Amino acid sequence: EPEVTQTPSHQVTQMGQEVILRCVPISNHLYFYWYRQILGQKVEFLVSFYNNEISEKSEIFDDQFSVERPDGSNFTLKIRSTKLEDSAMYFCAEQGTNQETQYFGPGTRLLVL
Amino acid sequence: SQKIEQNSEALNIQEGKTATLTCNYTNYSPAYLQWYRQDPGRGPVFLLLIRENEKEKRKERLKVTFDTTLKQSLFHITASQPADSATYLCALEGSSNTGKLIFGQGTTLQVKP
Repeated sequence: EPEVTQTPSHQVTQMGQEVILRCVPISNHLYFYWYRQILGQKVEFLVSFYNNEISEKSEIFDDQFSVERPDGSNFTLKIRSTKLEDSAMYFCAEQGTNQETQYFGPGTRLLVL
Repeated sequence: SQKIEQNSEALNIQEGKTATLTCNYTNYSPAYLQWYRQDPGRGPVFLLLIRENEKEKRKERLKVTFDTTLKQSLFHITASQPADSATYLCALEGSSNTGKLIFGQGTTLQVKP
């Protein structure tokens, strides 16, 4: 089974700085998602992305967040001005051709100081 | 709003026994329900999907049931092994039809040798 990859695996940043998290998709997948998981809490949906557009976003996904797939390959999540409460694991996920199963990346652990 | 509840208490069982995990949901009638495994510091890994018209689904030592009247799914691991120790997540697709998943908080299973 092909694997979703994410970079970096860990990121430490100062509050107010911009971070970009990257996801390398599996070929032929069309639906992409970002989720986050604060330590000890449940996995939470952030945004879904299809056909180069956001199809749904959660209340968490405010104006500080953006997503894009700039070159048709990498799928990125940008946080413009990080806050302490953005510290979490961020998971990229892709939906397979059966449009049901989602394949998750290993995550990026973001720590905002 | 859609809500998913899993037993937040850790489940400790002896190797060889059957582990049974519970997932209850409210305010939604999902077309299908999924179970994922999550190891510490890693992304969720898809295990099984069961549709609303299926009562039971099996995969090797795993079995999932789905009772749409009770709004409950049970996840069984038979002949459990220490390697089965992980957190198991129940997930439903949100009602918006964008594929977003709503996760329960997970139940941690510890299988002792």
